[in-house]
Amino acid sequence: SQQGEEDPQALSIQEGENATMNCSYKTSINNLQWYRQNSGRGLVHLILIRSNEREKHSGRLRVTLDTSKKSSSLLITASRAADTASYFCATDNSGGSNYKLTFGKGTLLTVNP
Amino acid sequence: AAGVIQSPRHLIKEKRETATLKCYPIPRHDTVYWYQQGPGQDPQFLISFYEKMQSDKGSIPDRFSAQQFSDYHSELNMSSLELGDSALYFCASSLSGANSPLHFGNGTRLTVT
Repeated sequence: SQQGEEDPQALSIQEGENATMNCSYKTSINNLQWYRQNSGRGLVHLILIRSNEREKHSGRLRVTLDTSKKSSSLLITASRAADTASYFCATDNSGGSNYKLTFGKGTLLTVNP
Repeated sequence: AAGVIQSPRHLIKEKRETATLKCYPIPRHDTVYWYQQGPGQDPQFLISFYEKMQSDKGSIPDRFSAQQFSDYHSELNMSSLELGDSALYFCASSLSGANSPLHFGNGTRLTVT
């Protein structure tokens, strides 16, 4: 069953604007990760937030996690055309064994120059 | 830095043929994962290996099998190919344990005609 569900499915913004993507999940998790994928390419890990963390920053990225609402958000500040990609959240709900990630459906972000 | 290497990059097969996809993980990574991504879809977990032993199985058809060899490379074998098997197939590797990001290869694009 699908664990992470992103919204919006597609987002189009102008360069310099901020982009916010949301992810919801269904079961308890160990951590939640965000990945980026350029068209037809492999996924690239962006940031990981543990279940006991509420917010994390990495450069222009800010991730929040609300375990009570089973949701996370990814904020990209001061977006650039090069940020155009699909963004996926992925959850680890393995309970510490047989570690694997379950991906959501992704948000296609288009940053217009 | 060394990345996950997948081969071939593209593969075209006819229905009912077989295909073998190869993956070379990042050195010293002990866990390998296979994911399938259909057009416009999220990556779906197929199977994983830890230290050359199958560690978890997802939505992998019985027509598919995989193994990890003594040099840690992995192969995904796909038989009796169907049109619906056309997809991007990604291999990823990681260190074992929770909170380990996955490192993805650039995938093999399989087209079944």
